[in-house]
Amino acid sequence: NAGVTQTPKFQVLKTGQSMTLQCAQDMNHNSMYWYRQDPGMGLRLIYYSASEGTTDKGEVPNGYNVSRLNKREFSLRLESAAPSQTSVYFCASSSSGRYNEQFFGPGTRLTVL
Amino acid sequence: AQSVAQPEDQVNVAEGNPLTVKCTYSVSGNPYLFWYVQYPNRGLQFLLKYITGDNLVKGSYGFEAEFNKSQTSFHLKKPSALVSDSALYFCAVRDDGGISSGSARQLTFGSGTQLTVLP
Repeated sequence: NAGVTQTPKFQVLKTGQSMTLQCAQDMNHNSMYWYRQDPGMGLRLIYYSASEGTTDKGEVPNGYNVSRLNKREFSLRLESAAPSQTSVYFCASSSSGRYNEQFFGPGTRLTVL
Repeated sequence: AQSVAQPEDQVNVAEGNPLTVKCTYSVSGNPYLFWYVQYPNRGLQFLLKYITGDNLVKGSYGFEAEFNKSQTSFHLKKPSALVSDSALYFCAVRDDGGISSGSARQLTFGSGTQLTVLP
């Protein structure tokens, strides 16, 4: 089992460029999440998908879009990158249910110049 | 709204001594509480959770946490720290979605506590 995988690991963009972060899980989980991690702020939820075919906004959705491609894959797109989106992005997945723990990918470190 | 506070940005402890990483929370309903650990340049790893029942929860790597409803706390503890325990620790909370809690809410993370165990 690979668990949760993310690509790429590192990315540098110029302001205004676009890119898609990819995430896949092989644990047959229904729920998937995208977080950003900034120093001193913990993890903040960008978007989540409770099940295949549904997506919902989290705490900080502005500037991002998501696609739940199938049960395994959940992508995050930055249409026009801004320096404020410089961060480390984590994808996670979990079984359905409020009390189930989330499993995290290794992260993508994104720098926007 | 639900929230989590980790009052200490940094905790230092000598190897072999007991360690405590503090966490307090606020939710409308009953809490589901989690601890995660993050090693450098890695994703978060689940340590333990409290759902209901016994207030003392045991988790991975010898860690445990004590749920205290009256103090709204969920402190992480370990009787004897190891240098390899040095990492960033996150507390997280989610309410149980009961009648009093309003709309469904996702997991909310604290800001993290950097634990350094000194040899």
